[in-house]
Amino acid sequence: SYELTQPPSVSVSPGQTASITCSGDKLGDKYASWFQQKPGQSPVLVIYQDSKRPSGIPERFSGSSSGNTAALTISGTQAMDEAAYYCQAWDSSTVVFGGGTKLTVL
Amino acid sequence: QVQLVESGGGVVQPGRSLRLSCAASGFTFSSYGMHWVRQAPGKGLEWVAVIWYDGSNKYYADSVKGRFTISRDNSKNTLYLQMNSLRAEDTAVYYCARETLTDEIVQMLDYWGQGTLVTVSS
Repeated sequence: SYELTQPPSVSVSPGQTASITCSGDKLGDKYASWFQQKPGQSPVLVIYQDSKRPSGIPERFSGSSSGNTAALTISGTQAMDEAAYYCQAWDSSTVVFGGGTKLTVL
Repeated sequence: QVQLVESGGGVVQPGRSLRLSCAASGFTFSSYGMHWVRQAPGKGLEWVAVIWYDGSNKYYADSVKGRFTISRDNSKNTLYLQMNSLRAEDTAVYYCARETLTDEIVQMLDYWGQGTLVTVSS
């Protein structure tokens, strides 16, 4: 079965740039999405189709994908961005999630 | 606005059954594929199942195949998940999510419900 791998945790200082990676076999041939989940809340889509932002998502969130790796970048990270982030891709008709990355803003 | 409201969670003994519902509003339910995704306490997201907009195709995660059944009633704008032979490892918050196709025919899960907690315990 298809697998996506994320680092368990990433730390960033306020105002700096955070980057979270997601790796999978030929992931660049698929489309990746990214979800933000804060404690006690439902996941929120922040990036789809590798690099597109849904309406209402701040411009500081961006995405890219190439080869075996997709990445979520948060520029000018704010305290409110502290959350778990999950990458997701489609494998045939099924959905695969990465294990999640806890972003700490300190 | 799009709303997805799950219900039906609770505490159930191992081996028993439970049916979850997801009531949809604010969009044309019959035009969208729908998914169930779960999250065990303190763990990550795990995809469970998908059903096409018309119910013609269904796919399941290996972990639930043969035990769970996804279905929908487009006349009632409601998605279901029938869970049989429940195990302790099925304990999780269960979310329903809408699948949307972009202009480039790319899939995305754009709206999620608030989730309903299922606890399997004796």
